[in-house]
Amino acid sequence: GDSVTQMEGPVTLSEEAFLTINCTYTATGYPSLFWYVQYPGEGLQLLLKATKADDKGSNKGFEATYRKETTSFHLEKGSVQVSDSAVYFCALRSNNAGNMLTFGGGTRLMVKP
Amino acid sequence: GAGVSQTPSNKVTEKGKYVELRCDPISGHTALYWYRQSLGQGPEFLIYFQGTGAADDSGLPNDRFFAVRPEGSVSTLKIQRTERGDSAMYLCASSLFGTESYNEQFFGPGTRLTVL
Repeated sequence: GDSVTQMEGPVTLSEEAFLTINCTYTATGYPSLFWYVQYPGEGLQLLLKATKADDKGSNKGFEATYRKETTSFHLEKGSVQVSDSAVYFCALRSNNAGNMLTFGGGTRLMVKP
Repeated sequence: GAGVSQTPSNKVTEKGKYVELRCDPISGHTALYWYRQSLGQGPEFLIYFQGTGAADDSGLPNDRFFAVRPEGSVSTLKIQRTERGDSAMYLCASSLFGTESYNEQFFGPGTRLTVL
């Protein structure tokens, strides 16, 4: 079945540091890929998405590129802020398996001033 | 506009009891999803409604779990004979259409269920 694997946290960075959170997936067909973010005390929010190979999703300074050859969708940001502290979830929606999302386990990011 | 709302925000119950969790989707959204998130893990799919009917209930763990959406809007997740292992955050999401592969799902704040 479909699965998503992302690096375990917590990831602790200083403000303005470079961020990478790795995400790889297993799926049949050509899934759509997503990054969701969960800020403390809030619900899951879509951060960015990519629907086909080589697409780059971007939002709020975050980027991720859909790499079919490596089945990866790594999240990056050039300069993190304290306000980016949250839990980040990589997810896929398989075009062959209905509309549900399959999530990774989440990565907690802590940014210190 | 109003987002997805879920009630109650917290529910504490005793083993063996029956519970109902409610989800109010965004107005006009035809697709509704339930997920379960255990502590420190990602959400896991339970069931998906398109309109009033359950289009996919393959994620329901057993027959103690049941969900309805009688008028195609509000949904209720029902858990019978609760067990301690049912303790988790229950998330609801809705989307405008369920058939487009990239259609965004909007999540509610969740109901935290604790079974003592």
